[in-house]
Amino acid sequence: QVQLQESGPGLVKPSETLSLTCTVSGGSMTSYYWSWIRQPPGKGLEWIGYIYFSGSTNYESSLKSRVTISVDTSKNQFSLRLSSVTAADTAVYYCARTYGGDFYMDVWGKGTTVTVSS
Amino acid sequence: IQMTQSPSSLSASVGDRVTITCRASQSISTFLNWYQQKPGKAPKLLIYTASSLQSGVPSRFSGSGSGTDFTLTISSLQPEDFATYYCQQGYSTPLAFGGGTKVEI
Repeated sequence: QVQLQESGPGLVKPSETLSLTCTVSGGSMTSYYWSWIRQPPGKGLEWIGYIYFSGSTNYESSLKSRVTISVDTSKNQFSLRLSSVTAADTAVYYCARTYGGDFYMDVWGKGTTVTVSS
Repeated sequence: IQMTQSPSSLSASVGDRVTITCRASQSISTFLNWYQQKPGKAPKLLIYTASSLQSGVPSRFSGSGSGTDFTLTISSLQPEDFATYYCQQGYSTPLAFGGGTKVEI
């Protein structure tokens, strides 16, 4: 049974870079897309972007200039970097396995809270 | 593509039939997925490709629709179904979620 686990700092200073890693266990990363989604406090879900296991990426338009998603299949991990963060980037960040073609997210991590504050 | 859910919240009782609507700003064929989220938890996939029930999801959940209009129906609301429900289009990037529908007692 595939499981995902997010990890990374829970507190990031304004203007710095948020970095998170998602570790995939119980299965292979091959043939799947891997997404990052976030949820600001009390608000809805926002898709950030995804990476295919081979390395191709696609990002939300409004975040594209600040986001980088990378993958390391040898470690069964993929990562999110979001630069120049502000308080508006405070959210719970989720990673999710994304089924290609229909692009639904069938396995999710538990989420990690990231607060942007000095 | 913008996804609009209605209502944004609703009150219902155990045993009620509940219907949630999701509308896309352009045709997305049947590339529409539904999720359930409980407080403090990650979303859970319920329905994919408009009407396919995810493995392990109770059969009281069903989805329908194509093009721009979709519905999620809970045939007989159970206590564990009180949650927030989100639709998501998988037709084109950027992938997008609806604003959510909170189902309350």
